[in-house]
Amino acid sequence: EAGVAQSPRYKIIEKRQSVAFWCNPISGHATLYWYQQILGQGPKLLIQFQNNGVVDDSQLPKDRFSAERLKGVDSTLKIQPAKLEDSAVYLCASSVGGWNTEAFFGQGTRLTVV
Amino acid sequence: AQKITQTQPGMFVQEKEAVTLDCTYDTSDPSYGLFWYKQPSSGEMIFLIYQGSYDQQNATEGRYSLNFQKARKSANLVISASQLGDSAMYFCAMREGGDYKLSFGAGTTVTVRA
Repeated sequence: EAGVAQSPRYKIIEKRQSVAFWCNPISGHATLYWYQQILGQGPKLLIQFQNNGVVDDSQLPKDRFSAERLKGVDSTLKIQPAKLEDSAVYLCASSVGGWNTEAFFGQGTRLTVV
Repeated sequence: AQKITQTQPGMFVQEKEAVTLDCTYDTSDPSYGLFWYKQPSSGEMIFLIYQGSYDQQNATEGRYSLNFQKARKSANLVISASQLGDSAMYFCAMREGGDYKLSFGAGTTVTVRA
């Protein structure tokens, strides 16, 4: 089966610009996660969707970050305006749901804000 | 509060030897899953092994085994017969039954020496 698809793979923008990331989860996976991973650290959960509803967005900086999941399938994560500290890898993951199933990850988008 | 704690930032291991990576977790939910992921320098997140809170036996997957001590809330990963390709960052993660939130530790970098 196809894996989790993310695009773009790399993005360089200037501070105060906006950027959007796209994720297509594995077909049939109800749960979708967006993580921010700063170099050398563990992934930090930004937002979790169950189908097209938000389960957890407590760590999403809502003044600049937004996310949506279209019809419970694809998802986009947007940053507007970007700050230097947003430089990180943004990982998308999906799972069928349930606490006993693994999450599958995309290859991530490496964002550099200059 | 930190859900997952990995106290070893980095470890060196000789090729063909075994290495144990520590992970402790914190939850009051009786239903939870513990996962280990490998992240090589290329960046992809690779699922290695899973242990469920109700599992009576320790999980094993090839050269990977999980030393699950429920009373101590620890889930240490053992990699036997280390190979050069095992050099990577390793993350312990937990998903709780209530909301399926998947939380990660800070990771441990493993370097295998020839």
